[in-house]
Amino acid sequence: DGGITQSPKYLFRKEGQNVTLSCEQNLNHDAMYWYRQDPGQGLRLIYYSQIVNDFQKGDIAEGYSVSREKKESFPLTVTSAQKNPTAFYLCASSANRQETQYFGPGTRLLVL
Amino acid sequence: QKEVEQNSGPLSVPEGAIASLNCTYSDRGSQSFFWYRQYSGKSPELIMFIYSNGDKEDGRFTAQLNKASQYVSLLIRDSQPSDSATYLCAAPSGGYNKLIFGAGTRLAVHP
Repeated sequence: DGGITQSPKYLFRKEGQNVTLSCEQNLNHDAMYWYRQDPGQGLRLIYYSQIVNDFQKGDIAEGYSVSREKKESFPLTVTSAQKNPTAFYLCASSANRQETQYFGPGTRLLVL
Repeated sequence: QKEVEQNSGPLSVPEGAIASLNCTYSDRGSQSFFWYRQYSGKSPELIMFIYSNGDKEDGRFTAQLNKASQYVSLLIRDSQPSDSATYLCAAPSGGYNKLIFGAGTRLAVHP
């Protein structure tokens, strides 16, 4: 089955800890995106990547980092510098020169 | 700052009625628009996209675009309780394949 997978479904972070959220797609899409969603709010873009080994900051990149070493994978690290990380994190992808984005199931990050 | 605006709702409609969800956008250059449905606790799923002025129909869903008024809407005919969700409107954000999302309208269909 083609699609986007995210893991884990739930993630708990301790104070001062870095955590990494996984996003994998087998749709052969070039572009991948990370969004953050807070309760009752829309999606805010954290980082996006158009091709392998290249990525750009979105609107709220502070406290986050990404890598794009493989076309299929776009992991997001929430660093200790992100002081309010509790949110629903969504990964998406789109085909080359296509605007339509498809979403993974999401990871809910909670702070202990 | 490009924006996409939606009424947060909740929009409450009886089962079988037509639900009308609206979205306005600030970027006159936007050419395409997307409607996503998001059930509580789940990720958004694409319902429809529209590029041209006028109406686009897909089953019980109709998207309407009026570029002159910078207004896009989603009509859901014969609303069902299973349509109860938050509906997100999105438009291109001026970068490569980037989208900007509205905050969403929560729809509640009651039996």
